[in-house]
Amino acid sequence: AQSVTQLGSHVSVSEGALVLLRCNYSSSVPPYLFWYVQYPNQGLQLLLKYTSAATLVKGINGFEAEFKKSETSFHLTKPSAHMSDAAEYFCAVSGSGSRLTFGEGTQLTVNP
Amino acid sequence: SQTIHQWPATLVQPVGSPLSLECTVEGTSNPNLYWYRQAAGRGLQLLFYSVGIGQISSEVPQNLSASRPQDRQFILSSKKLLLSDSGFYLCAWNKGGIGNQPQHFGDGTRLSIL
Repeated sequence: AQSVTQLGSHVSVSEGALVLLRCNYSSSVPPYLFWYVQYPNQGLQLLLKYTSAATLVKGINGFEAEFKKSETSFHLTKPSAHMSDAAEYFCAVSGSGSRLTFGEGTQLTVNP
Repeated sequence: SQTIHQWPATLVQPVGSPLSLECTVEGTSNPNLYWYRQAAGRGLQLLFYSVGIGQISSEVPQNLSASRPQDRQFILSSKKLLLSDSGFYLCAWNKGGIGNQPQHFGDGTRLSIL
């Protein structure tokens, strides 16, 4: 079985500041991990995925995430926040099957 | 390339009325298909998933049902809507088999029950 915990349901940063969204997972098998972004009244868009190749994964819109097995973490970062990054972000995990288990989401606010 | 379509985008229905939401996928065959519900300010709740025509797994006992009459068509239905059925409904697909396949989402249907 898999589970995901996203620490912080709301994160607020200033424009130009570092974005750090936290995700910890639990999995009984080697996990596959994903980050999604959701803008208001839209579906989820894939930002990046970890599938056991490189532990540092680069995604779209300047985001990246690092898989740390020892910490069971897959935190999402971006060096410099833009106003357009304001959205809800979901971390998800899957194991040997095709279903994903999603975290509860983190709402990112970017202040001018 | 693959695309996923969901309709309608918004829907306002009275309590007790029926529901039919449709989702279709193009550009792939034999996809896994999923229906999620997202309540306001909440995460995603998996309602149903399907690995093939006529094969439906239900995650949460409730007032809704799903059907997959064709390979790339997934329908969410209800005979009588409840107030608690309000929410944002998302359809998604991915390739079957192993777990490294991300899910791809439609644009969602905003359902309001009056």
